[in-house]
Amino acid sequence: DIVMTQSPDSLAVSLGERATINCKSSQSVLYRSNNKNYLAWYQQKPGQPPMLLISWASTRESGVPDRFSGSGSGTDFTLTISSLQAEDVAVYSCQQYYGTPVTFGQGTKLEIK
Amino acid sequence: QVQLVESGGGVVQPGRSLRLSCAASEFTFNSYGMHWVRQAPGKGLEWVALISFDGSNIYYADSVKGRFTISRDNSKNTLYLQMDSLRAEDTAVYYCAKDQRPRYSSGWYLDYWGQGSLVTVSS
Repeated sequence: DIVMTQSPDSLAVSLGERATINCKSSQSVLYRSNNKNYLAWYQQKPGQPPMLLISWASTRESGVPDRFSGSGSGTDFTLTISSLQAEDVAVYSCQQYYGTPVTFGQGTKLEIK
Repeated sequence: QVQLVESGGGVVQPGRSLRLSCAASEFTFNSYGMHWVRQAPGKGLEWVALISFDGSNIYYADSVKGRFTISRDNSKNTLYLQMDSLRAEDTAVYYCAKDQRPRYSSGWYLDYWGQGSLVTVSS
């Protein structure tokens, strides 16, 4: 199975500042034939189920604010929130869908400093 | 709007069984693979099981293989998870979630999630 490792486990950022969360896969999730990274990001606010934010490593879902962006390729990926808002307090998780079974990172808890 | 509603959770003693259900609506259920994903208290997401759109392909996490059974009834738009020989470490909120890609058998990213059903395994 592909192991997904996120860093850091928790992060405190001031309102309006940039937040950066990293995700590393144990093997590449880049499919060479279509040059796509099979990597998704989810946001889980307290008491709620996860919500899909980004697919294909960098494609935002409809309705996701443009302060959220995804980047990276191969085995190293980053979720960036350009200007942290209070409503962004959540746990963020990456997931690969390159291999079966799909696997998740352990999650990164984002708080306000 | 896609709806996924889990039911069947509760408190159960170690070694006993429980069956979760997930009622789906507002999408063509028989065209999409479905997953169970769990989250232990204070922990991250753990994928549990996947069943393909037609039920022909099934996958399990090693942690539940041989104890849990995923199934679906496409005539009732319902997903199930039969959990046998439950252990304390199975205590978690169990989410059903929908694959984004139609008619695909091996798992994709998950575009809709239910609200979850809490399973507590305790004597």
